[in-house]
Amino acid sequence: DARVTQTPRHKVTEMGQEVTMRCQPILGHNTVFWYRQTMMQGLELLAYFRNRAPLDDSGMPKDRFSAEMPDATLATLKIQPSEPRDSAVYFCASGLGRQDNEQFFGPGTRLTVL
Amino acid sequence: GESVGLHLPTLSVQEGDNSIINCAYSNSASDYFIWYKQESGKGPQFIIDIRSNMDKRQGQRVTVLLNKTVKHLSLQIAATQPGDSAVYFCAENEGGSNYKLTFGKGTLLTVNP
Repeated sequence: DARVTQTPRHKVTEMGQEVTMRCQPILGHNTVFWYRQTMMQGLELLAYFRNRAPLDDSGMPKDRFSAEMPDATLATLKIQPSEPRDSAVYFCASGLGRQDNEQFFGPGTRLTVL
Repeated sequence: GESVGLHLPTLSVQEGDNSIINCAYSNSASDYFIWYKQESGKGPQFIIDIRSNMDKRQGQRVTVLLNKTVKHLSLQIAATQPGDSAVYFCAENEGGSNYKLTFGKGTLLTVNP
């Protein structure tokens, strides 16, 4: 059955290293969202795309985070350099970009930066 | 003082009881609302949605009520089961060309057998 997939599911890295998280949206979905979830801040929207074009990345720290959609089947979120405060669960979600705006979430990538 | 983390509202119910989870939203322009359920270690999962031209919508064992006057949303779960234990989030969207969902902080529901 159709679902959003994310890789890796878990990532442990050291401060200063580059981290790349990948997401495969549901086939046919034209909107893709990246969220970060922490105990302190809850679920925060980092960026989202429609038809592969970035529509809003105001929630993303621009100096170290970047989000791209190389093609319709792949979205990436990159952190360079990573910092301990980036430790969180990162979720990707996709949707049809219609008025009924349900977003389908992936299982998340749990990132730990030491 | 310094915050040590989100203090999620919690609701503890007995198995078989009905649960009501409440949410206050902030944007009077929001015209679409969703309830999500998030189990430990998983991503949020859609439960039910409602548009602003409705005040009630029913699903299987769940009902969402919308009161636009006071900007309040509630989720009612009938005959709550242990598998309903999770964090529940409400989310709102302004509609139109804005595809963003703004999520609430969540409520932790614990169902006691």
